[in-house]
Amino acid sequence: EPEVTQTPSHQVTQMGQEVILRCVPISNHLYFYWYRQILGQKVEFLVSFYNNEISEKSEIFDDQFSVERPDGSNFTLKIRSTKLEDSAMYFCARSGRAAETQYFGPGTRLLVL
Amino acid sequence: AQTVTQSQPEMSVQEAETVTLSCTYDTSESDYYLFWYKQPPSRQMILVIRQEAYKQQNATENRFSVNFQKAAKSFSLKISDSQLGDAAMYFCAYNNAGNMLTFGGGTRLMVKP
Repeated sequence: EPEVTQTPSHQVTQMGQEVILRCVPISNHLYFYWYRQILGQKVEFLVSFYNNEISEKSEIFDDQFSVERPDGSNFTLKIRSTKLEDSAMYFCARSGRAAETQYFGPGTRLLVL
Repeated sequence: AQTVTQSQPEMSVQEAETVTLSCTYDTSESDYYLFWYKQPPSRQMILVIRQEAYKQQNATENRFSVNFQKAAKSFSLKISDSQLGDAAMYFCAYNNAGNMLTFGGGTRLMVKP
């Protein structure tokens, strides 16, 4: 199954800076997801995105976060003012339909100093 | 809220032997999906196997099979003929036919040569 690509693979930023993580689906799927995994912890759902709208979000996904698909292809996660605790692996996933298998990208490792 | 529990933080198996990883979940839904994902040191999330709750037959994928006990809310993964490349973190995940995956805490599998 084709997956997604994510850029950058690694990002180091200073606390308070904005970061944008990108996800590029290989196939034309409509359902996208962002998850994060703090080192040594479980994978946590952030948000799902369907048809250019947020369809579901978790408590973690507060006003600091936003998602969009600006050019109809790339799917981005923006973190407005990063905190130390935002250091984590961020995964993009995609599926053909809701409740179908979600296929994950390789992740972006974010380090906030 | 749904919860997924993996009670074995670490497991060890001899190469070519069989190992079973445990997973239990809590839900009031009748229609849902269960997954096992593998996370090698690269930290990419790789789908291992999927089970639909409405199917009584246990899913199998080559050396990987599940024991799905719906009444007991149990979903264990059996790996037969273990190989060195099977060494990884394994995450059990639940999807309530909606958007989000809920993950367990993971089991680290070590394979001894």
